[in-house]
Amino acid sequence: DGGITQSPKYLFRKEGQNVTLSCEQNLNHDAMYWYRQDPGQGLRLIYYSQIVNDFQKGDIAEGYSVSREKKESFPLTVTSAQKNPTAFYLCASTSKGSGSPLHFGNGTRLTVT
Amino acid sequence: DQQVKQNSPSLSVQEGRISILNCDYTNSMFDYFLWYKKYPAEGPTFLISISSIKDKNEDGRFTVFLNKSAKHLSLHIVPSQPGDSAVYFCAASEYVSRGDSSYKLIFGSGTRLLVRP
Repeated sequence: DGGITQSPKYLFRKEGQNVTLSCEQNLNHDAMYWYRQDPGQGLRLIYYSQIVNDFQKGDIAEGYSVSREKKESFPLTVTSAQKNPTAFYLCASTSKGSGSPLHFGNGTRLTVT
Repeated sequence: DQQVKQNSPSLSVQEGRISILNCDYTNSMFDYFLWYKKYPAEGPTFLISISSIKDKNEDGRFTVFLNKSAKHLSLHIVPSQPGDSAVYFCAASEYVSRGDSSYKLIFGSGTRLLVRP
């Protein structure tokens, strides 16, 4: 079955530690995205990548970093510089073309204490 | 500044009746509009979309209407079913590079729909 896999489902970290969230897709999609959801808010774009070895900042990139070394993988690192890292993180992918919908993974709930 | 707004945080309707979810936007350059449905602790799932050159798109019980002059779109669900209870997100597609058809989605804050049996 094709899809997007995010792991782990739940992640707990101490403040000051970096943490990396995994996102893998086997849909052969070129574009991948990371969004963050906070209670009562919509999804906000952190980073996106249209092609391997290239990525762009979204609206809330501060305190985050990404890499796109393989087409299938787009890991997100939440660094200690991110002031409010506790959130629900969603990875998505799509083929190119504005009408193509994003396919989302099931998310990772990160809690930093 | 929010480019995509869903001003109703929640909506409650009776099973079998129509659910109407609304969305407003500010950027007239948006190319497509999409609706997603989301359950707690899961990723959003795509429901239906509409091109900015259309005014209506229908798929089964779901119909999306677009009013470009008012910069407003709505999702109609008829008839509503208890399984439709979820958070619905409106999203707008913005090109980041027309040369290679790269784009990003901008989401509204969502409307929680409750369909009462």
